[in-house]
Amino acid sequence: ETGVTQTPRHLVMGMTNKKSLKCEQHLGHNAMYWYKQSAKKPLELMFVYNFKEQTENNSVPSRFSPECPNSSHLFLHLHTLQPEDSALYLCASSQDRTGPEQFFGPGTRLTVL
Amino acid sequence: GIQVEQSPPDLILQEGANSTLRCNFSDSVNNLQWFHQNPWGQLINLFYIPSGTKQNGRLSATTVATERYSLLYISSSQTTDSGVYFCAACPGGDFNKFYFGSGTKLNVKP
Repeated sequence: ETGVTQTPRHLVMGMTNKKSLKCEQHLGHNAMYWYKQSAKKPLELMFVYNFKEQTENNSVPSRFSPECPNSSHLFLHLHTLQPEDSALYLCASSQDRTGPEQFFGPGTRLTVL
Repeated sequence: GIQVEQSPPDLILQEGANSTLRCNFSDSVNNLQWFHQNPWGQLINLFYIPSGTKQNGRLSATTVATERYSLLYISSSQTTDSGVYFCAACPGGDFNKFYFGSGTKLNVKP
């Protein structure tokens, strides 16, 4: 595998389910990011991790819970989501917090019923 | 945060035509990237260009940081250029908090 990978690519869940999104980067980077892309809206930064430490939480509801066990892996744990949380969730990585470039995974298309 | 505005929002081109996409940002930036999002959602890096001019094949980009804008040029467009083009900027002093524009949706017709 090369670059940034995300699994699953598609996910359908009910509002009472608990699921997790996984991101893995194979670029030797130290910073990782979660973004949300909703229809008709710009990409929104959700969380930033630098050397496994969370450095940014962009006022994200607690039903989204990130986890970064090491610099290569990033998870987004989901529970009691709402239909308006349906979106494309994108993971990215960069060398470190100074960047400069961010590289994105293919995304997970999430549908909440 | 900063405001990032892209124009035009939609663009239809005939194959072989040239185009210019614009990105304006409301404050000084230390990091600016252009991306192409393909129909499957993948964001592909085009340019990292906080200032100056870069070229990569049929694509080139110019950022004039003092005037707070960046331009993406597409020459001899092909149907595979279709998709949404985003610029993303980091405000000065905030190295990895990117703000994205709303994108330009490009449709290149054969």
